Amino acid sequence: EVQLVESGGGLVKPGGSLRLSCAASGFTFTDAWMSWVRQAPGKGLEWVGRIKSKTDGGTIDYAAPVKGRFTISRDDSKNTLYLQMNSLKIEDSAVYYCATAVGDYWGQGTLVTVSS
Amino acid sequence: SYVLTQPPSVSVAPGKTARITCEGINIGIKSVHWYQQKKPGQAPVLVIYYDRDRPSGIPERFSGSNSGNTATLTINRVEAGDEADYYCQVWDSRSDHLVFGGGTKLTVL
Repeated sequence: EVQLVESGGGLVKPGGSLRLSCAASGFTFTDAWMSWVRQAPGKGLEWVGRIKSKTDGGTIDYAAPVKGRFTISRDDSKNTLYLQMNSLKIEDSAVYYCATAVGDYWGQGTLVTVSS
Repeated sequence: SYVLTQPPSVSVAPGKTARITCEGINIGIKSVHWYQQKKPGQAPVLVIYYDRDRPSGIPERFSGSNSGNTATLTINRVEAGDEADYYCQVWDSRSDHLVFGGGTKLTVL
């Protein structure tokens, strides 16, 4: 059974940092392209970024609102995807989901709240 | 950047057909995925991928089409359990960005 389990969300002050993790199981994580998607309260889905598999070059792409502040990485030895979020803004408050890039599997999401 | 436009809401009576559109410039040459999200904060579920394919477990009542500037998700014989937000999504190869439509709230009357 495929599972994606996010963790690391919480309350942080504007300007602060947070690292989210996504533990994957039930599929060959090494071969998977992975995405982060977020959803602000009462809003729609917003793509955050994507990382390709290392065999496909490991390229990382980011949405404009987070580029330069967020960093996506992966540890294939631990089957884990990461999202390092720096210089957080109030508008970054959202539920953050990790998902396979094709979109066939999603985690349950982790809530990030940026507030003073 | 590439923009996908969906109607904010669609209402349909039980047993009837719901059609949810997703408009984008030349979307017909892109591959469209559709997601169902029953509650905000609940993980979306893929219901159609690559324009018209259904993942296993998704009822045959769900179908998709894509041509010109419009992609369409069609739900036949709508049931109360289909009430949800639906999002279309494409990969914009020009910007290397994933793009979501704004979402459509399907209400079953």
